[in-house]
This record gives sequence, structure tokens and C-alpha cells, in this order.
Amino acid sequence: GQNIDQPTEMTATEGAIVQINCTYQTSGFNGLFWYQQHAGEAPTFLSYNVLDGLEEKGRFSSFLSRSKGYSYLLLKELQMKDSASYLCAVMDSNYQLIWGAGTKLIIKP
Amino acid sequence: DAEITQSPRHKITETGRQVTLACHQTWNHNNMFWYRQDLGHGLRLIHYSYGVHDTNKGEVSDGYSVSRSNTEDLPLTLESAASSQTSVYFCASSESTSGGNEQFFGPGTRLTVL
Repeated sequence: GQNIDQPTEMTATEGAIVQINCTYQTSGFNGLFWYQQHAGEAPTFLSYNVLDGLEEKGRFSSFLSRSKGYSYLLLKELQMKDSASYLCAVMDSNYQLIWGAGTKLIIKP
Repeated sequence: DAEITQSPRHKITETGRQVTLACHQTWNHNNMFWYRQDLGHGLRLIHYSYGVHDTNKGEVSDGYSVSRSNTEDLPLTLESAASSQTSVYFCASSESTSGGNEQFFGPGTRLTVL
């Protein structure tokens, strides 16, 4: 079966750095996406990785290791507005997105 | 600006009723998707379409149907609503399935079936 695992909830302090992990087992791989979802709102795109390595985009970076079936999202200089759920999704061999249940990130002052 | 809209935003209905949720996008995207989101689960694909008159079943399609008569719209119909279909429903669209083409999401419809 196909499976995406990520922690249910994480807590971090404003100004700090947090790493949200995602492991996956899917039938095929055509890239991994990270989305941000604020409570009561729609998911919005953060990043896409298809090759191994680190992609940096401002305060957010995303890493992929295809051999390990592993990705992480790194958030630096945390701000209160970063309090949200972060969704990991893998595009499988049928070009369908398989979604993790999401990690709720709580930022404390 | 291009956008994707859903209506209604909130809906309460009774078991056994037929319900239709609307989704309209102005991105001119070929691909459209319907997901449901429940606590403890990731987004789960209900139906999807890769173009006009094309529809496909997703992971959790039982009890749902869609039709695609034009590029902009993909309405989702619950033929006979059940309490298990109480959920938040998101519509999404994308330009294509290749590469890193992201999906753009509508604001969601919260459906309650009593």
C-alpha cells in the first residue's frame, strides 16, 4: 500500500528553527510537494522536490532523499504567522498526489 | 486574477438528500480534482478530470459523481447523502500532471449531513 508519515503535532518558539519530517512509501515517485494550510483555509503550495538535495526558498527549505523515502521541511526565523498545518504529498506513478495527514505546527512566543 | 471558487461554503443537509457542490476555476486548467479532508486523514481524492468530458474515480469515489461539460466547472454530486460524508470538501486544479505543476485549491465547502 501507499503510505505517507509525518508527525501529528510539533511546537516551536518564535524566532527559532523547526524541521518537519516526512517519510513515504508509494508506488512510483514523480516528486514531493509541501503545502501550508492555516486553520479553516485551503492548502497553499510551498515547495516541490523531484531530485535529491535541498531547495531553498526564503525562510523555507525542503530536502529530499529518494533512496531513503524521506523529506523534510525546514522553517527558519519562525514567526507567529507560521502557525499552521504542513502537508506532505507524493506524486505517484499515476501522477496522483498521495497526502500525509499533516503536521500541526504551534508557535509559542 | 485567476482563481478557483467553491459554493456553497457551508451546507447542512439531511440523510438521503441529493447535494451538489460547485467548483469554478478561471485558470483555464485542464485538470480538476475533488478531495475530502477529515481529521486524522490526509486529503483523499474523490474524483478527477483531465479535460472536458473526462472523469475518473479516485480513492473514495463511492456515493459521489462528477461531470465535466466545460473547462471551468467540475460539480460534485452526492446522490444520497450519508452521515459518513460529513466532511470538508476541496476542489483543486492544475495546468498539467507533469513536472512540478502545483495544484491550486478552492476555499473549501464544509458539509454536514444530519
